Amino acid sequence: DGGITQSPKYLFRKEGQNVTLSCEQNLNHDAMYWYRQDPGQGLRLIYYSQIVNDFQKGDIAEGYSVSREKKESFPLTVTSAQKNPTAFYLCASSMWVGDPNGELFFGEGSRLTVL
Amino acid sequence: AQTVTQSQPEMSVQEAETVTLSCTYDTSENNYYLFWYKQPPSRQMILVIRQEAYKQQNATENRFSVNFQKAAKSFSLKISDSQLGDTAMYFCAFMKWYQGAQKLVFGQGTRLTINP
Repeated sequence: DGGITQSPKYLFRKEGQNVTLSCEQNLNHDAMYWYRQDPGQGLRLIYYSQIVNDFQKGDIAEGYSVSREKKESFPLTVTSAQKNPTAFYLCASSMWVGDPNGELFFGEGSRLTVL
Repeated sequence: AQTVTQSQPEMSVQEAETVTLSCTYDTSENNYYLFWYKQPPSRQMILVIRQEAYKQQNATENRFSVNFQKAAKSFSLKISDSQLGDTAMYFCAFMKWYQGAQKLVFGQGTRLTINP
């Protein structure tokens, strides 16, 4: 089955620790995205990547970092610089950024809780 | 700044009823795309329906249809003959240009509950 796999589903972190959330897709999509979801705020774009070895900041990139070494993989690191990291994180992909069909394919998400 | 507003945080209807979710957006662009995404309790979001702004005809997908009012910048979703499986968060989204690429901006979401 083609799709997006995020891991772990639940993650607990102590303050001051970096954590990395995994996102893998087997859809052969060029574009990948990371969104943060908070209650009452919808989804906000953290980072996106249009192609391997290239990525751009979204609306709330501070305190986060990403890499895109392989087409299939787009891991997100939540650093200790992120002031309020407790949230639900969604990874998505699309054929290419700006695809007018606009369909994003989402993973099941990772819930990060900072203790 | 382009924004998407969903004014109904929660809605609840009985099974088989029709329900309309509202969405307004703000943009100065003339050509753009609008979407409704559904996020059921399992959390995996899926696309429900899309609308191209240059098309006057409202999009329809089975029981789901939109009422697109371009001048009013309104994009509501109507669910007919609602089913228990329609229970989910629904997000309206607008595709915009941002730093040389087009990306989606999401509204705050409407939590829809279908009661048996």
